[in-house]
Amino acid sequence: DAGVIQSPRHEVTEMGQEVTLRCKPISGHNSLFWYRQTMMRGLELLIYFNNNVPIDDSGMPEDRFSAKMPNASFSTLKIQPSEPRDSAVYFCASTHSGAVGYTFGSGTRLTVV
Amino acid sequence: QQQVKQSPQSLIVQKGGISIINCAYENTAFDYFPWYQQFPGKGPALLIAIRPDVSEKKEGRFTISFNKSAKQFSLHIMDSQPGDSATYFCAARDTGNQFYFGTGTSLTVIP
Repeated sequence: DAGVIQSPRHEVTEMGQEVTLRCKPISGHNSLFWYRQTMMRGLELLIYFNNNVPIDDSGMPEDRFSAKMPNASFSTLKIQPSEPRDSAVYFCASTHSGAVGYTFGSGTRLTVV
Repeated sequence: QQQVKQSPQSLIVQKGGISIINCAYENTAFDYFPWYQQFPGKGPALLIAIRPDVSEKKEGRFTISFNKSAKQFSLHIMDSQPGDSATYFCAARDTGNQFYFGTGTSLTVIP
C-alpha cells in the first residue's frame, strides 16, 4: 500500500498564476479530505468528499479555490488566481467507513511569490 | 469555532521527562479521540486513540487519559526522547465520521 500520494511535493509560483494540487487516495477509501496547514491557523479543513461527491466545502476560503474528484482514485485542488497569502502546506487525507482515523499524504508545500 | 481546544501551543521537555498535552471538547456526540504525530515535512500520522467508554489507554510510552465528565483528554509521553520531538494534534470524531483537529502542540525534547 503506497499510502495517500500527493503531487507535487513543492510548488513555487508567481501571484496570479493558476495552481493545481493533486491527490491519489488509498484504494478502497471512500472519503477524501483537503486540509491547509499554516503556523497561524494550524490544520484547516477546506473540503471533503464522500464517494466522489463534495459534502462540505464551507472551509474553502474563497471562490478562487475549487476542488474536484472525478473518480475514486483522483482529486484536485485548484487555486486561480493564486495569492501570496495562499502560501501553506496542503494535505490530502483519505479514510473509509469504520476506519479508526485518516491517512494523510506527505503534503504539498505551496509558495506564492 | 474551534471544536477541539488544545494546549499548550509549544512545550519543551528534558530528555527522560514527562510531556503532557491537553485537549477539551464540547460536543458530547464525539465518539472517538485520536492523537496524531507530525514530523517536519511529513503528514500527520495516527499515534494512539481512545473511545469515551475507557478512562485510559497505554501504548508503550504513550498514554491517553480521558475524563468524560469534564470533556477533557490528554496525551502523556513518559521518558520523553529527542526522537519524540514533533507536532502533536488531538482530534475528535463526530457521528458522521468527520474528525475535528486541535491546533497542535510543538514538542521539543532536549538532550
